[in-house]
Amino acid sequence: DIQMTQSPSSLSASVGDRVTITCRASQSISSYLNWYQQKPGKAPKLLIYAASSLQSGVPSRFSGSGSGTDFTLTISSLQPEDFATYYCQQSYSTSIFTFGPGTKVDIK
Amino acid sequence: EVQLVESGGGLVQPGRSLRLSCAASGFTFDDYAMHWVRQAPGKGLEWVSGISWNSGSIGYADSVKGRFTISRDNAKNSLYLQMNSLRAEDTALYYCAKDTKSSSSRGGAFDIWGQGTMVTVSS
Repeated sequence: DIQMTQSPSSLSASVGDRVTITCRASQSISSYLNWYQQKPGKAPKLLIYAASSLQSGVPSRFSGSGSGTDFTLTISSLQPEDFATYYCQQSYSTSIFTFGPGTKVDIK
Repeated sequence: EVQLVESGGGLVQPGRSLRLSCAASGFTFDDYAMHWVRQAPGKGLEWVSGISWNSGSIGYADSVKGRFTISRDNAKNSLYLQMNSLRAEDTALYYCAKDTKSSSSRGGAFDIWGQGTMVTVSS
């Protein structure tokens, strides 16, 4: 089974900061990697699919990159509404979708 | 409005069964694969199970294989999760999620989520 890891597990940042979150797969998953944002008490929201494609309605300050085993989610200028937990998810395995453990972004 | 509404959660004793439902509206339900994702209190997301548009392809996480059964009724725009032999570690908020693809195959993503239904397994 494909295992997903994320780093860091948490980070503190200020409004306006550039934030980068890393996700690593235990084997190559090509570009079959999605990113989600979850705020407390809310359902997750799809941000990025296929490693770098921005979901409709998501602000352009969010971007994704990577392929193979290493991926990044970047927030170019952190906004107050971006404080949340971010999860990566692999969609390479047919009928099996694994999430990473999450990265919590909070206010410095 | 595109919407998923889960129901059927509650408090259940270990070893008992529970059936979750998810009612879909605002999109063509039988065009898409569907999934169940759970989140234990204070923990991360765990994919539980997925089903293709025509129920021809089904997958389960190892943690629930043999105990949970996913199904769908396209005529009723509904998704189900039959949960048997429940354990304390199954305690979680269960989300229903829509896939961007029809076949729960490689490359899908979960673009619509419900608000979840809470399952608590305790004696």
